[in-house]
Order: sequence, then C-alpha cells, then structure tokens
Amino acid sequence: AQSVTQLDSHVSVSEGTPVLLRCNYSSSYSPSLFWYVQHPNKGLQLLLKYTSAATLVKGINGFEAEFKKSETSFHLTKPSAHMSDAAEYFCVVMSGSSYKLIFGSGTRLLVRP
Amino acid sequence: EAGVTQFPSHSVIEKGQTVTLRCDPISGHDNLYWYRRVMGKEIKFLLHFVKESKQDESGMPNNRFLAERTGGTYSTLKVQPAELEDSGVYFCASSQDGGRSYNEQFFGPGTRLTVL
Repeated sequence: AQSVTQLDSHVSVSEGTPVLLRCNYSSSYSPSLFWYVQHPNKGLQLLLKYTSAATLVKGINGFEAEFKKSETSFHLTKPSAHMSDAAEYFCVVMSGSSYKLIFGSGTRLLVRP
Repeated sequence: EAGVTQFPSHSVIEKGQTVTLRCDPISGHDNLYWYRRVMGKEIKFLLHFVKESKQDESGMPNNRFLAERTGGTYSTLKVQPAELEDSGVYFCASSQDGGRSYNEQFFGPGTRLTVL
C-alpha cells in the first residue's frame, strides 16, 4: 500500500531564505506524487506533480521537487520564501488502483518578515 | 471558469441531527471525489463518482454517510445521524475523464462541520 510521511508539522523561515519541506513515500511500484497547497479559507491547489518523467519537477510560484528513488523522498523546495507562501502544504501519492489521493499529514509553513 | 463550489461553508449541528453537504464540480468534469479531514488527522478519501455512478466508496466510514450524484452533476453527502467524531472539514474535488492517465483534481474550499 502507498503512503507518504511529512517529516515536519511546522516549518518557519525568514522571508527571502530557502524553503525545504520534507516528504518520504512508501510504494511498491513507481508512484505518482504531488504537492498541494492550501491557503487559509481556500481550496487545495496543485503545486506540482511527478509521474515518472523527469525526476526534477518544477511547479508554480517557484517551487520545485526532486524525486529520489534511492531515498524514497520527494522534498519540496523554493530558493527564496515570500510572505505569500505561508500556507499548509501536503505531500500526496496517488493510489495505484484508482485515482484516489493519499495525503500526508501536512506541513504548515510560516514566513517571518 | 468557476471552480469547485461547496455549500455550506460552515455547519454547526447537534449530535443526532442530519446534515447535507453539497458540491458543484467544474462544468464538464465527470469525476467527483469526496475527502474529509477530521481534527488532527490526514485528509482521507471517502468516495469517487464517475458521472452518476459510484466508482469507489471504500473510504466511506459507515452507513450513516450517504453520497449521491443524481444526473451526474452536483453531489450531496448526507450524514444521518451525525456523531461527534464526524466533525471536520469535508472537501470535494473534480477532474476530467483522464482515461489511464492522471488528470488534476481541483478542490473546493471545503465545508467545516462541527457536531456538538
């Protein structure tokens, strides 16, 4: 069965510094992985997706993630945090038998001025 | 283009009452999903419609939950009778027919349900 583990429930960074949100996955075969973001009072928005093409995936708003099979990781990064990046981020794997999404527990990103 | 909409945004009910949540998917999206996040837990899949048919309802917690999608447009999720542990945020998502490939699931803002 597939699963994802987000290693940090909260991450705090200063504006202009790099962001790293960590995610490890478990899957018996090549997974489809995603990062979603939820801003307050908004729906979940897809940031980026990995579906077995390039291992470095670029998403919206300057975010990117690298699929590392040897480490079973799919960490989300951004070179320079912006105040508007403050939100909750979810690492997600798609179930192999259907289109249902399996979510990690979420990481709340705080950006300090 | 309008996104996925959900109604109500908030609902507060007493234990034992009935509540109906509504989801309007993006026009033309055949796939409709329900998820929920109870306090302190992960967002969990409830069920998946393809048009008006239930494709996968493996995540429905028990028979107090009834989901419908008559006519393959909007969907309702009824909880009857509601229990305290049903409190949480209920999300709806929709996607186009992706065949064998993944099509992005677009999420609504959620309905926050509080059972007292």
